[in-house]
Amino acid sequence: AQSVTQLDSQVPVFEEAPVELRCNYSSSVSVYLFWYVQYPNQGLQLLLKYLSGSTLVKGINGFEAEFNKSQTSFHLRKPSVHISDTAEYFCAVRTTSGTYKYIFGTGTRLKVLA
Amino acid sequence: NAGVTQTPKFQVLKTGQSMTLQCAQDMNHEYMSWYRQDPGMGLRLIHYSVGAGITDQGEVPNGYNVSRSTTEDFPLRLLSAAPSQTSVYFCASSPREGQTNQPQHFGDGTRLSIL
Repeated sequence: AQSVTQLDSQVPVFEEAPVELRCNYSSSVSVYLFWYVQYPNQGLQLLLKYLSGSTLVKGINGFEAEFNKSQTSFHLRKPSVHISDTAEYFCAVRTTSGTYKYIFGTGTRLKVLA
Repeated sequence: NAGVTQTPKFQVLKTGQSMTLQCAQDMNHEYMSWYRQDPGMGLRLIHYSVGAGITDQGEVPNGYNVSRSTTEDFPLRLLSAAPSQTSVYFCASSPREGQTNQPQHFGDGTRLSIL
């Protein structure tokens, strides 16, 4: 079975400061990794994904994430945040074969302060 | 380009009532899923389908039924609503295996309150 841990339920950060949202996963088999963003009263949108290859993945809105297999982590980073980045961010995994199930973390609420 | 459409957007039910949450996608995706989102618990998978006529249980299937008679539609049924089913429900779809460079598409959600 797979699991995803997002240790930070809320992260406040000032505008133009850097931010890192942490994600750790557990799986006995190979996985794909995803970060999704949810703006208020909306569904989830894909920010970025790691399928294979380079461990540094760039996504939309200036976000990037680094896959670290030895630490089973997939932390999300942005060098300079904007007010508009205020949202909830979810890390997710699914296995590379077999079941189609996505497993989501509990989410991190990013609040960007002026 | 409608994507994933969920109806209704809001619903209030009384305990014991039944209802169906509708989900339709126009992208010819084979995979469809239902999630519920509760504060502090993220998204939990209720049921999913890998194609028409095929469904399977997720993490929290109790109290919910699904069917997949067509590729486009994946309705979620609450047979006897309970207050514990008060939540925001999301439907998602994605292409079949082998096209994982395509993201999972989400609907805008159905906010359901059970009194």
